[in-house]
Amino acid sequence: DIQMTQSPSSLSASVGDRVTITCQASQDISNYLNWYQQKPGKAPKLLIYDASNLETGVPSRFSGSGSGTDFTFTISSLQPEDIATYYCQQYDNLSYTFGQGTKLEIK
Amino acid sequence: EVQLVESGGGLVQPGRSLRLSCAASGFTFDDYAMHWVRQAPGKGLEWVSGISWNSGSIGYADSVKGRFTISRDNAKNSLYLQMNSLRAEDTALYYCAKLGAGGFDYWGQGTLVTVSS
Repeated sequence: DIQMTQSPSSLSASVGDRVTITCQASQDISNYLNWYQQKPGKAPKLLIYDASNLETGVPSRFSGSGSGTDFTFTISSLQPEDIATYYCQQYDNLSYTFGQGTKLEIK
Repeated sequence: EVQLVESGGGLVQPGRSLRLSCAASGFTFDDYAMHWVRQAPGKGLEWVSGISWNSGSIGYADSVKGRFTISRDNAKNSLYLQMNSLRAEDTALYYCAKLGAGGFDYWGQGTLVTVSS
């Protein structure tokens, strides 16, 4: 099974900061990598699919990049409403794996 | 408007069974693969199982393989998860999710399963 290593596990940043989260796959997954945002008590929300495609309606300050085994998720200018836990997710045929999550807090 | 509504959760003893349902509306259900994802209290997301639009392809996480069975009824716009031989570690909020272009683009609000004696 493909394992996903997401880092950091937690992150504190100020409003307006550029925030970066990384995800590493245990083997080549091409661009089959998604990013989700989950706020407390809510279902996850898809932000980025296939590594770099912005889901409809998601603000452009969110972006993703990478291919193969190394991926990056970026918030270009952190807003107060971005406080949440973020997860990467890989998919390979009908097998999916989430990263451990990154809890983002405001400094 | 896409809606996914899970039901069937509850308190169950270890070793017993439970069947979850997910009622879908607002989209052409039989055009899309569907999935179950769970989240133990205070923990991260764990993919549980997925099923293709026509039930021709099915996948399970190793943690549930042989105990859980996913199915769908396209005539009823419904997704199911039959959970047998439940364990304490199966305690979680279970979400159903629709597969979009690449990721899970719509999620339900979840149904809570608690396995305890």
